[in-house]
Amino acid sequence: KAGVTQTPRYLIKTRGQQVTLSCSPISGHRSVSWYQQTPGQGLQFLFEYFSETQRNKGNFPGRFSGRQFSNSRSEMNVSTLELGDSALYLCASSAGQGARNEQFFGPGTRLTVL
Amino acid sequence: GENVEQHPSTLSVQEGDSAVIKCTYSDSASNYFPWYKQELGKGPQLIIDIRSNVGEKKDQRIAVTLNKTAKHFSLHITETQPEDSAVYFCAAASGGGADGLTFGKGTHLIIQP
Repeated sequence: KAGVTQTPRYLIKTRGQQVTLSCSPISGHRSVSWYQQTPGQGLQFLFEYFSETQRNKGNFPGRFSGRQFSNSRSEMNVSTLELGDSALYLCASSAGQGARNEQFFGPGTRLTVL
Repeated sequence: GENVEQHPSTLSVQEGDSAVIKCTYSDSASNYFPWYKQELGKGPQLIIDIRSNVGEKKDQRIAVTLNKTAKHFSLHITETQPEDSAVYFCAAASGGGADGLTFGKGTHLIIQP
């Protein structure tokens, strides 16, 4: 069974731009969660989508948004990029809704904001 | 919300020795505790997990213990090998699992040959 895939793997943007990241979960999994990983803050939960609906949200500003499609693929969007948005963005795939289900991570998208 | 503390931040052990990483959590409602291994350039890989109705779980050289009363859990790796070198993260799920996983800051495990 194929794992979680994320595209693109690397991205360079400038302040003020917006960016869209994509995540394809493990086949059969209906939940996709997004996390931001930085050296200073570590791994932080952004949000979770299950059956095309955002179910849970972490403590991030409204510039961070997402959506999920009927095939469970998910996209994350960050608008008006700031230097502090430079991070590794990880998505995690799970069979059920909520963090108490096993979550399997993709390789991440490395975003650099200049 | 939940807060997870992880120690040590760096651990260096001789190949063949055991390694122990410890975490504490704050929310008594947390009941799922996974451990992840992250190698350079890769995403975190789930290596073992434990739920609050179990005190210990073992998978070959890896074991996890949970003390609900003290609110701490630990990862034990025995007979360490060079490929065990990586960053290890503990995590906890609380709030009915609605807040996502809360992660510790990570432990950089170095296996000395």
